[in-house]
Amino acid sequence: GAVVSQHPSWVICKSGTSVKIECRSLDFQATTMFWYRQFPKQSLMLMATSNEGSKATYEQGVEKDKFLINHASLTLSTLTVTSAHPEDSSFYICSAGKPAAAYNEQFFGPGTRLTVL
Amino acid sequence: GENVEQHPSTLSVQEGDSAVIKCTYSDSASNYFPWYKQELGKRPQLIIDIRSNVGEKKDQRIAVTLNKTAKHFSLHITETQPEDSAVYFCAASMGNQGGKLIFGQGTELSVKP
Repeated sequence: GAVVSQHPSWVICKSGTSVKIECRSLDFQATTMFWYRQFPKQSLMLMATSNEGSKATYEQGVEKDKFLINHASLTLSTLTVTSAHPEDSSFYICSAGKPAAAYNEQFFGPGTRLTVL
Repeated sequence: GENVEQHPSTLSVQEGDSAVIKCTYSDSASNYFPWYKQELGKRPQLIIDIRSNVGEKKDQRIAVTLNKTAKHFSLHITETQPEDSAVYFCAASMGNQGGKLIFGQGTELSVKP
């Protein structure tokens, strides 16, 4: 199997606070994990690529100081939204690449719904 | 960088009819093209994928075709059922960039009984 979990599934926070989202590959080691953001009725937008033991690669337009990504182990990547504001409210989804998977198949987590008040 | 365009944005069909969704990509280095079905509030679910060395792939009622020369690929759903109603996304990936996926804008498919 290739199961990816996320925690929490939803979170509500006050403006100005920081929120951490965890992404875990449960039954395989993921050398690469990806973080996406999805606004209502829109597509998934890649935010960053996270490689175990190295700095994340951010997509153009994504503030690396606001969206802190840590990939400390082969099964865990975290996304911290710092000083969250209402415009950061979105559905955040992670995915993990399985080393032996066909081509670039990715396995998605269930997503985290962030609401910033 | 890679850009993926998807059409139409909405598609309404009668149960039993076929549905076709089309995507184009910009980077000829892309070599992996998955299609995802996403229900509201849920994760994207891989329904079929195709690699650049194959022109067509079929899985029961779902098929995908790839035209590398024209850089476009299409999803075909036959004998549609109400449970096929969802948002469908195409994506493209290049192996030399760590496998990152670039998604199309999505198609909201509605199958009317």
